[in-house]
Amino acid sequence: ILNVEQSPQSLHVQEGDSTNFTCSFPSSNFYALHWYRWETAKSPEALFVMTLNGDEKKKGRISATLNTKEGYSYLYIKGSQPEDSATYLCALKRGGGSYIPTFGRGTSLIVHP
Amino acid sequence: DGGITQSPKYLFRKEGQNVTLSCEQNLNHDAMYWYRQDPGQGLRLIYYSQIVNDFQKGDIAEGYSVSREKKESFPLTVTSAQKNPTAFYLCASSISGGRYEQYFGPGTRLTVT
Repeated sequence: ILNVEQSPQSLHVQEGDSTNFTCSFPSSNFYALHWYRWETAKSPEALFVMTLNGDEKKKGRISATLNTKEGYSYLYIKGSQPEDSATYLCALKRGGGSYIPTFGRGTSLIVHP
Repeated sequence: DGGITQSPKYLFRKEGQNVTLSCEQNLNHDAMYWYRQDPGQGLRLIYYSQIVNDFQKGDIAEGYSVSREKKESFPLTVTSAQKNPTAFYLCASSISGGRYEQYFGPGTRLTVT
């Protein structure tokens, strides 16, 4: 089974803090990496689809970078707000097969007012 | 509104009974997936289907069965052979193959006593 690791497992920050977390994955046969946000009592929603080494994506205060050669992606949140509280999941798709994603365990972010 | 529906939200069953979880989508997606989530674990793939009348086992298919008779529907049956059926079950769909992200339903929490 493919290992997609996310760190830290959980994070508590104060409103206004900037934060970041990591998704690590095997670099071989990379095809795509997805980031999802999963708020309590809601469905996971896609944030970013990243495919190229060096990709940088941004949506409001949230951005992500990708390094396929070393096998990691960072998600950054600038000026965290309580509504950013959620679990952030990354999912790896590898090429040469069915392109079925493998999920990490997620990083749980809690932003305190 | 396009989306994925799962029903019911909560389901209670006695041990030894089979139970079927519903998943319907109107996004015209070819691919559909079933995941299970347990506390402290990531999303684990049970079954997936990339086209009508075809489906494949995921990482934890034992004790589960599925059917894909219509593009819109991908029901999951949790059989009495599943040793630990109590869990949160998520259904997802996507455009088949490639880099495309998944769209998730709201989930069904199954409790077996």
